[in-house]
Amino acid sequence: AQKITQTQPGMFVQEKEAVTLDCTYDTSDQSYGLFWYKQPSSGEMIFLIYQGSYDEQNATEGRYSLNFQKARKSANLVISASQLGDSAMYFCAMSLGGGATNKLIFGTGTLLAVQP
Amino acid sequence: DSGVTQTPKHLITATGQRVTLRCSPRSGDLSVYWYQQSLDQGLQFLIQYYNGEERAKGNILERFSAQQFPDLHSELNLSSLELGDSALYFCASSKSVGGRWSEQFFGPGTRLTVL
Repeated sequence: AQKITQTQPGMFVQEKEAVTLDCTYDTSDQSYGLFWYKQPSSGEMIFLIYQGSYDEQNATEGRYSLNFQKARKSANLVISASQLGDSAMYFCAMSLGGGATNKLIFGTGTLLAVQP
Repeated sequence: DSGVTQTPKHLITATGQRVTLRCSPRSGDLSVYWYQQSLDQGLQFLIQYYNGEERAKGNILERFSAQQFPDLHSELNLSSLELGDSALYFCASSKSVGGRWSEQFFGPGTRLTVL
């Protein structure tokens, strides 16, 4: 069965430091996509970054990068130079490609608190 | 702003009632998804429509139904509401399915409170 696991319920990081949020996934499909979303306290879901299973290079979007290790089935999010505005809940998600749907399967999330 | 709009933002109603949540996808997006976020169940996929047709169903109760109209906006109908239906309901949209075009952008959500 397809599953996303985020083992860190909460994390602290000092402002301007880098932080890694862990995500492992389980699927037997060869074609899939991995996503990270940010949910601030206001509630909206903000798309951060995407990695396709066939992408050879790790995805990067500004201060966000995705450390994709296919053999280990991990897709960790790295946030560089943390800012106070990065404090939020972060969700890792997976979609399965090649089929009729690319519904997202979400992990339970990691609550990140950035300290000044 | 993701470009996905949802109305209403908040909804308070009583048990047994029926409500309709509305979603307008980003311009050019053909696929609409509905998700439910609750404290006990987390974020769960409910249903997906693609260009007016139902594409996939997730953990959607029989009391819930949805549709996507020719102008691509979508509505989620929740009936015979129970206390446990209180949750944040998200609509998301994407251009298509598969590959990079499957990136889903979420609306601000409708917070439903059933009293």
